[in-house]
Amino acid sequence: DIVMTQTPLSSPVTLGQPASISCRSSQSLVHSNGNTYLSWLQQRPGQPPRLLIYKISNRFSGVPDRFSGSGAGTDFTLKISRVEAEDVGVYYCMQATQFPYTFGQGTKLEIK
Amino acid sequence: QVQLQQWGAGLLKPSETLSLTCAVYSGSLSDYYWSWIRQPPGKGLEWIGENNLGGSATYNPSLKSRVTISLDTSKSQFSLKLRSVTAADTAVYYCARVDESSGWGLNYWGQGTLVTVSS
Repeated sequence: DIVMTQTPLSSPVTLGQPASISCRSSQSLVHSNGNTYLSWLQQRPGQPPRLLIYKISNRFSGVPDRFSGSGAGTDFTLKISRVEAEDVGVYYCMQATQFPYTFGQGTKLEIK
Repeated sequence: QVQLQQWGAGLLKPSETLSLTCAVYSGSLSDYYWSWIRQPPGKGLEWIGENNLGGSATYNPSLKSRVTISLDTSKSQFSLKLRSVTAADTAVYYCARVDESSGWGLNYWGQGTLVTVSS
């Protein structure tokens, strides 16, 4: 299985300030078709996860543009340009390049 | 707007079979894969498996011997069966849609069902 490792596991952030979460995979996520199937999900307290970003940097419908994704190969980053109160929750990276799909352990974003 | 609504028994005894169903509203089962994911209390996410109308089911090897995901087009529903459950299967179970156009992302989710396995 591909192991996804996120850092940090907890991120206290001041409202209005940027936040960044890293995700590293144990092997390259580049598929044989050239695509990289790395996505980011947000899970607010008591809610199911929600897709934010797919294929490294594509925002899903309705996702605010303060969320952005970048990276390549084995190293990926989710950035929030200015954190808002509604961004509190746990963020997961997920790979769908190889079965079984696997998730990072989650990064808890909280407000200072 | 696609909506997924799920239901099933919330309390099981060891060795019983977990059975959950997910109904898809404002969308068709066609052209997508349909997946189940679980989350033990206070922990992270684990992908259980997926299936589509073509019967291309893929399961997590860690659960493969006990899992079946099936689809019912007449009801626009899909279901999960997990046999011989133990306390380690206690988790919130989610259904989700897998969309190739979203990079095989899980772009719509059910509300989750807490399943507790206890004698």
